[in-house]
Amino acid sequence: SQTIHQWPATLVQPVGSPLSLECTVEGTSNPNLYWYRQAAGRGLQLLFYSVGIGQISSEVPQNLSASRPQDRQFILSSKKLLLSDSGFYLCAWTAVRAGVYTGELFFGEGSRLTVL
Amino acid sequence: GENVEQHPSTLSVQEGDSAVIKCTYSDSASNYFPWYKQELGKRPQLIIDIRSNVGEKKDQRIAVTLNKTAKHFSLHITETQPEDSAVYFCAASEGGADGLTFGKGTHLIIQP
Repeated sequence: SQTIHQWPATLVQPVGSPLSLECTVEGTSNPNLYWYRQAAGRGLQLLFYSVGIGQISSEVPQNLSASRPQDRQFILSSKKLLLSDSGFYLCAWTAVRAGVYTGELFFGEGSRLTVL
Repeated sequence: GENVEQHPSTLSVQEGDSAVIKCTYSDSASNYFPWYKQELGKRPQLIIDIRSNVGEKKDQRIAVTLNKTAKHFSLHITETQPEDSAVYFCAASEGGADGLTFGKGTHLIIQP
């Protein structure tokens, strides 16, 4: 069966420090991968998605970047964090079968980032 | 792009009563409509979904209805229980690589 892991689960970072969140998927190949952010008490905002290695699409211009160095690895980064980057970051994947996106999105456990 | 509106933002019901959450979407090409449940501090979990070739789908105490003409869909929870308390998100997708567009969520509170 497929599983998705992301880490770290919690981190507290000072303003201006770098960030790296990592996500890996097991049990599937060539998934679509996503990074969402959820501010406190708010909805889910799509930040980036990737349909393959090295292919990144950005949905919202911001202080963050994403990379996909391997088929089942997705990384969210920042060179200098802002206070507004605080939130709950969720990695997700969806299966592609016979070239068709199934639509079903499965989330990782989430990474809670507090920027002070 | 797609826009999904969700109402109400907060819903409080007595235990045992029914709860209904409604969503509307803007893109007539959307064909997949899932619902997610998110407990406090946890990840959203898919609880039920419906595709545009179906008008209604039921799974035990939860059901989803879809009206493609009016571009709205609803989540129905019957015989609510304390463990139903959570934030519920609706979403829509036209099947593209950019995944789901989510509503802003409904905080469902089950009163004992």
